[in-house]
This record gives sequence, C-alpha cells and structure tokens, in this order.
Amino acid sequence: AQSVTQLGSHVSVSEGALVLLRCNYSSSVPPYLFWYVQYPNQGLQLLLKYTSAATLVKGINGFEAEFKKSETSFHLTKPSAHMSDAAEYFCAVTIVGNTPLVFGKGTRLSVIA
Amino acid sequence: DTGVSQNPRHKITKRGQNVTFRCDPISEHNRLYWYRQTLGQGPEFLTYFQNEAQLEKSRLLSDRFSAERPKGSFSTLEIQRTEQGDSAMYLCASSLDALSGNTIYFGEGSWLTVV
Repeated sequence: AQSVTQLGSHVSVSEGALVLLRCNYSSSVPPYLFWYVQYPNQGLQLLLKYTSAATLVKGINGFEAEFKKSETSFHLTKPSAHMSDAAEYFCAVTIVGNTPLVFGKGTRLSVIA
Repeated sequence: DTGVSQNPRHKITKRGQNVTFRCDPISEHNRLYWYRQTLGQGPEFLTYFQNEAQLEKSRLLSDRFSAERPKGSFSTLEIQRTEQGDSAMYLCASSLDALSGNTIYFGEGSWLTVV
C-alpha cells in the first residue's frame, strides 16, 4: 500500500525566506504525487501534482516540487515566503487508476514578518 | 462550474442522534470520495463511488456510517447513533475517472461536533 511521510509537523520561516516542506513516499509501483494546501476552516486546494511527466513540477502561488525517485521524495519549495502562505500543507499519493489519495499528517507553515 | 458543494457546513448534535451530510460534486465528475479529518491530522479515506456504485470502503467506516449516491450525482453520508469520537470534518471530493491521475477536487467540508 502507498503512504507518505511529512517530516516536520510545523515549519516556521521569515517572510521572504525559502520555504521547504518535506515529503517522502512509499509505493511499490510508480506513484502519482500531490501537494494540497488548507487554510483554516476550509477544504483542500491543489497546489501541484506529479503524474510521471516532468520531474520538476510547478504549481500555483509560486510553489514547485521535484520528484526524486532515488530518494523517494517529493519536497515542496517556494523561493520567497509570503505572509499569505501561512497554512497547512498536505502531501498525498495515489497510483494509476485513481485509487483514493493517501495523505500525510500535514505540515503547518508559519510565516514571520 | 461551481466546485464541490457540501452542506451543512457545521453541525452540532447530541450523542446518540443521527446526522446526514450532503455532497454535490462537480457536474461531469463520475467519482466521488468521502474523507474524514480530525484536528492536527491529514484527511483519512472513508469510501468512494464511481457513478452510483460504491467501490471501496475503509475499515474506518463502521456499521454506523452509510454512504449513498443513488443516481450517480449527489451523495449523502449518514452517521447513526453519533459518538463523541465522530467529531471531525467530513470532506467530500470528486474527480473524473481516468488513468492519468486526474485531480481530485475537494469541497469546503462539513464540521461535526458531537456533544
């Protein structure tokens, strides 16, 4: 079965600093990987997804993620944090055939002015 | 395209009562998912439908939970004899049925508080 592990339940960065949120996956077959963002009391919004095309995936709001098979990782980055990036971020995995997404526990991002 | 719609957004109920949540997916999406999310945790899969067929149920879905999608459009999730441990946000999501990892779109969620 597929799974993801998000390292760090809480990450704090200064405004303008690099954002790095870590996600490692486990899957016996090639995975599809996703990052979602959740603002307080709201549902989940897709940031970006990897579906076996380019390994560097660009998403909304300046975020990107790189699929590294050798490291089984799909870390999320943004060069310069903005106050509006403060939210909960979830990494998720599925496999071909749209089996239900399996989510990590999430990483709460705080941005300090 | 109005997105995935869920209602009610908030429900407070007494322990032992039944509650029902409704989800209206994006109109052309034939897959519909239910997830549960508790504070500080990621969403946990409960069940999903392809059209009106319920294809998979998680072991988290106890006998007190039942989900339906009678005409392959909207879905309902009913919880009978609610317990305090049922307090959570119930998320509905929908997607197209494809082999290319089509995006799953989530609703705003329905918060349940059991007192």
